[in-house]
Amino acid sequence: SYELTQPPSVSVSPGQTASIACSGDILGEKYVCWYQQKPGQSPVLVIYQDTKRPSGIPERFSGSISGNTATLTISGTQPIDEADYYCQAWDRTTFYVFGTGTTVTVL
Amino acid sequence: QVQLQESGPGLVKPSETLSLTCSVSSASIRSHSWSWIRQRPGKGLQWIAYLDYSGTTDHNPSLKGRVTMSVDTSKDQFSLRLTSVTAADTAVYYCARRADDDDVFDIWGQGTLVTVSS
Repeated sequence: SYELTQPPSVSVSPGQTASIACSGDILGEKYVCWYQQKPGQSPVLVIYQDTKRPSGIPERFSGSISGNTATLTISGTQPIDEADYYCQAWDRTTFYVFGTGTTVTVL
Repeated sequence: QVQLQESGPGLVKPSETLSLTCSVSSASIRSHSWSWIRQRPGKGLQWIAYLDYSGTTDHNPSLKGRVTMSVDTSKDQFSLRLTSVTAADTAVYYCARRADDDDVFDIWGQGTLVTVSS
């Protein structure tokens, strides 16, 4: 089955840049999206099609992809960005696959 | 704006069937595709099943055919049935809308906790 791997945690100081990686086989041939999930809340789509932001998502959230690794970058991280982040892609055998999730802590 | 609301029993006995319904408001259920996604306590997200506007369904192979999705267009609702549940099926269950022309989920329900226990 298809798998997406993320680091369990990322720590960042307020105002600094947080980068979250997501890796998987032939990920570069798929579209990747990212969700933010705060404690006790439903996930929210923050990036889709590798680099696009839905309306209402702050510009400090950006996405990129290089080879088989996608990256979510939060520039000028704010305390409200503290959350779990999940990447997701579609695979023809496993269908909708979520990454293992990364907890972003703003120290 | 489009809203999704899950409903169903919060407690299911082992070996029985989990049944949940998602009510869609401010959108026609026939205009989009829909999914169920779950999150075990303290764990990540797991896609369960998908149903599109033509009635085509797919499910996560790891659930080994225990899953059925159905739709009631007259009520703008879709449902999930998961048979032969065990404690491992204890999770928050979310219904979600698949975005137009993209394999992402742009709108989610608030989620409902289902506990499998005798």
